[in-house]
Amino acid sequence: EAGVVQSPRYKIIEKKQPVAFWCNPISGHNTLYWYLQNLGQGPELLIRYENEEAVDDSQLPKDRFSAERLKGVDSTLKIQPAELGDSAVYLCASSGDDRAGYNEQFFGPGTRLTVL
Amino acid sequence: QKEVEQNSGPLSVPEGAIASLNCTYSDRGSQSFFWYRQYSGKSPELIMSIYSNGDKEDGRFTAQLNKASQYVSLLIRDSQPSDSATYLCAVNSVDSSYKLIFGSGTRLLVRP
Repeated sequence: EAGVVQSPRYKIIEKKQPVAFWCNPISGHNTLYWYLQNLGQGPELLIRYENEEAVDDSQLPKDRFSAERLKGVDSTLKIQPAELGDSAVYLCASSGDDRAGYNEQFFGPGTRLTVL
Repeated sequence: QKEVEQNSGPLSVPEGAIASLNCTYSDRGSQSFFWYRQYSGKSPELIMSIYSNGDKEDGRFTAQLNKASQYVSLLIRDSQPSDSATYLCAVNSVDSSYKLIFGSGTRLLVRP
């Protein structure tokens, strides 16, 4: 079974430029998550999707960040304009049908963003 | 107070020893607990999940959960140099079973 796929793996941009990250979850996983991970810290949730619906975006800085998950499969996270403090690893994760309520989340390889 | 606390380490153990990693959490209503392994420059990899008090064993790994004391631990038996990584503890938020709160991780170093 293929894992979560993310692209690009690395991105270097200048501040004020836009950037977008793409994620393809594990096949059949309806729940998709975007996390941000700073060096030396654990991942922090930015947004969670159930199929096409963003059900938890309380941690997403909506003035510059946006996300979409058209057709309930792939997702894109965008930053516009990027700031120096946005330099981090952006992780996508997915989880499957979780009737037992266990919610095991599986992460993609991440995109390492450097803003100069 | 952080919601999920871990000692940052590094925890250094000799090859073949038992490594013991600990995690405490603040939300008494949390129900799901996870351990992720993260190698340097890589993404977190789920290695253990536990939902009931007591021990859960999987190969060389044992997760232990004590909800009354609000701690969860991970034991790694017969530690190998390849186990050297950062271990992240994650606990579900009482607000949502889908929202995981991560600790900052404990760095484990297994000396050959």
